[in-house]
Amino acid sequence: DIQMTQSPSSLSASVGDRVTITCRASQSISSYLNWYQQKPGNAPKLLIYAVSSLQSGVPSRFSGSGSGTDFTLTISSLQPEDFATYYCQQSYSTPLYTFGQGTKLEIK
Amino acid sequence: EVQLVESGGDLVKPGRSLRLSCTASGFTFGDYAMSWFRQAPGKGLEWVGFIRSKAYGGTIEYAASVKGRFTISRDDSKSIAYLQMNSLKTEDTAVYYCTRGLIIVRGVWPPPYYFDYWGQGTLVIVSS
Repeated sequence: DIQMTQSPSSLSASVGDRVTITCRASQSISSYLNWYQQKPGNAPKLLIYAVSSLQSGVPSRFSGSGSGTDFTLTISSLQPEDFATYYCQQSYSTPLYTFGQGTKLEIK
Repeated sequence: EVQLVESGGDLVKPGRSLRLSCTASGFTFGDYAMSWFRQAPGKGLEWVGFIRSKAYGGTIEYAASVKGRFTISRDDSKSIAYLQMNSLKTEDTAVYYCTRGLIIVRGVWPPPYYFDYWGQGTLVIVSS
């Protein structure tokens, strides 16, 4: 199975900060990488698919990049509603979809 | 508006069975793959399995952790996906989410999916 490793596992930041979360795959996954946001008690929400395609309705402060094994999710200017847990997920080893362990973004 | 509503979660004893339902609305259900994920308390997300649309053969795939115990099916006439869970174990305790799958790129087999809509989840507790 393809292993997905996110870093950091947790992160403290302030409103207005630029934040980057990294996701590394144990082997190349081409561009089949998606990002989800989950707030406590809620279902995950798709933010970005295929590395950099922004899901409809998602603010443009979210962006994704990368290829092969290394990927990043960037939030250009943190807003209060962005404090949540973020997961990357690979769709290369279909249908064995695997997720990163999550990055918890907290308010500093 | 796309909506997915799971139901059927409950407290059950180990070894028993449970069937979850996912009722969809707001889109042409039969045109989409449907997938189930789960999240154990305080843990991350785990893919459980999915069923492709009839246009892609309606084939079904399962995670190794549930293969042989869980069965996914769909009723396109009712816009419902099901997850039949047999021989439940304590480690199956989780919130179960139903999702809609979209193909990332066509012309590839099997097609890779991403999951754009998620239900609110239904809690399954397996405990004696």
